[in-house]
Amino acid sequence: DAGVIQSPRHEVTEMGQEVTLRCKPISGHNSLFWYRQTMMRGLELLIYFNNNVPIDDSGMPEDRFSAKMPNASFSTLKIQPSEPRDSAVYFCASSFGTYTQYFGPGTRLTVL
Amino acid sequence: KNEVEQSPQNLTAQEGEFITINCSYSVGISALHWLQQHPGGGIVSLFMLSSGKKKHGRLIATINIQEKHSSLHITASHPRDSAVYICAVGQNYGGSQGNLIFGKGTKLSVKP
Repeated sequence: DAGVIQSPRHEVTEMGQEVTLRCKPISGHNSLFWYRQTMMRGLELLIYFNNNVPIDDSGMPEDRFSAKMPNASFSTLKIQPSEPRDSAVYFCASSFGTYTQYFGPGTRLTVL
Repeated sequence: KNEVEQSPQNLTAQEGEFITINCSYSVGISALHWLQQHPGGGIVSLFMLSSGKKKHGRLIATINIQEKHSSLHITASHPRDSAVYICAVGQNYGGSQGNLIFGKGTKLSVKP
């Protein structure tokens, strides 16, 4: 298996632009997690899905952030409009049942 | 006070030394995770445990549920063990994994 796939790996955009991050979980996994990592706050959960249904989005910073999982093999995290404070590494992870999570390589987002 | 506290924050060791990283948490959990983040940024799950001890190669993880404490030990440390080690606690939800709460990480540097 190719593991969790994220795209793009790097994204540089200007303040106010829309940013879409993509994630393909490991086939057969039924949970998907979006995390954000910054120097100041470390790793934080943004949202997670079980069986394509959002379970907990309390970590989503504000209405500018939205996430979707239209099917078991694809999820997006969208930021609109983006701001410089959104600059971070965004990780996607997936798991099956209560087993361990597997992390994607991350997307490094820079908002100028 | 953070819900997950790690110590030390930074650790420098000589090759061959025995290393211990500690994690204390203040919330009820279903499982505790030890993650390794390489200098390049990738995150790998090392252990997920809910009781007792697990061993994988030179790595040993223990957890004491009553004391809400876990340790990660590295025997015969090697420069390739240099990484950030992150403790995370989680609560399962409906037969699947739920939210993970992360510690700030311990940056380990092993000198040859």
